Amino acid sequence: QVQLVQSGAEVKKPGASVKVSCKASGYTFTGYYMHWVRQAPGQGLEWMGRINPNSGGTNYAQKFQGRVTMTRDTSISTAYMELSRLRSDDTAVYYCARLTGPDYWGQGTLVTVSS
Amino acid sequence: DVVMTQSPLSLPVTLGQPASISCRSSQSLVYSDGNTYLNWFQQRPGQSPRRLIYKVSNRDSGVPDRFSGSGSGTDFTLKISRVEAEDVGVYYCMQGTHPLTFGGGTKVEIK
Repeated sequence: QVQLVQSGAEVKKPGASVKVSCKASGYTFTGYYMHWVRQAPGQGLEWMGRINPNSGGTNYAQKFQGRVTMTRDTSISTAYMELSRLRSDDTAVYYCARLTGPDYWGQGTLVTVSS
Repeated sequence: DVVMTQSPLSLPVTLGQPASISCRSSQSLVYSDGNTYLNWFQQRPGQSPRRLIYKVSNRDSGVPDRFSGSGSGTDFTLKISRVEAEDVGVYYCMQGTHPLTFGGGTKVEIK
């Protein structure tokens, strides 16, 4: 069965970077875009961008351009999202999601930014 | 970017009664291929989101038939024919052309 398993919760200081991983299984990793979506506490869903695991090509939301980097390692079917220059308002649950065909979501990774 | 506006923000519903959520986009969602990439997601408390409806009116596998989607152009609606207790959560519309954007969400709760 398809699964997306994300890395564990992180606590970071303002100005630092965080890298969240998303390990895919149960399907051909390179066949589907991987999206990243975040959700601040008590707030709605916000699309951050996507990566084509086959080519490595990326598309980022304008808001995150220059601060976000999405990469992948096809040898271990894992996608990564790195966010730099963290601020307190980056505190959120970060999800990876496959949105093509049946949708699948990771369990979410809570990133807390606090001094 | 396409702005998605949902209403209402909160929707108290009696069990067994219908519910309706509106979603409007700032521009037409009809893509160059003729498809309209409007999706609906449900997020139950404490869970990851899951898609209910894709391309306006197509139910995802396993989604009860009490959920239906309709609309065209810039106006879309998600309807629940008879609300059940398991339907409590927040519902989001999302337009699927780059860059993807979500509506602000509608919280469905039981009266």
